[in-house]
Amino acid sequence: AQSVTQLDSHVSVSEGTPVLLRCNYSSSYSPSLFWYVQHPNKGLQLLLKYTSAATLVKGINGFEAEFKKSETSFHLTKPSAHMSDAAEYFCVVSDTGTASKLTFGTGTRLQVTL
Amino acid sequence: SAVISQKPSRDICQRGTSLTIQCQVDSQVTMMFWYRQQPGQSLTLIATANQGSEATYESGFVIDKFPISRPNLTFSTLTVSNMSPEDSSIYLCSVTGTVRDTQYFGPGTRLTVL
Repeated sequence: AQSVTQLDSHVSVSEGTPVLLRCNYSSSYSPSLFWYVQHPNKGLQLLLKYTSAATLVKGINGFEAEFKKSETSFHLTKPSAHMSDAAEYFCVVSDTGTASKLTFGTGTRLQVTL
Repeated sequence: SAVISQKPSRDICQRGTSLTIQCQVDSQVTMMFWYRQQPGQSLTLIATANQGSEATYESGFVIDKFPISRPNLTFSTLTVSNMSPEDSSIYLCSVTGTVRDTQYFGPGTRLTVL
């Protein structure tokens, strides 16, 4: 069975400061892990994915995430927040290599203030 | 990645009626899925739309309430039948391409049932 826990339901940062959104996972197999972003009234956009290649994954818009098997974590980071980063972020796990069965976290709402 | 469109983008419906949501992809895809996102919640998989055969439903979802069609490799519909206010949600379709290691999401259909 697979599951994912997003440790913060809401994160607030100032523009220009670092972003850290935390995610822990549970998986019976070697998982695939994803971060998706959902801007208000928009669909989901893939930020980045880990599929057993390099443990440090770089995504779009300056985001990156590091897969740490020993800590079962896949935290999302960005060095400097921008106002346009304000959105809902979902950490997602898949046990299967085909991404046919995704399990979503509950989401973290990122607020960026001036 | 594939370009996915959904119709309608939003609708307001009366209880007891049905609404059919369309999902169109600009290229042939292997797998198509339908998700529900209730207000303030994460995504829940409703079913996998199988081309040429009956959809595969997740626990808690039944064909009578959410009939799904997939007549070809680029198109699928989801019907929300006999609607009640509890069906007010965003409904999203997603697809996997030939590599099948990632799901890409449509923009969603925002449904309000009065």
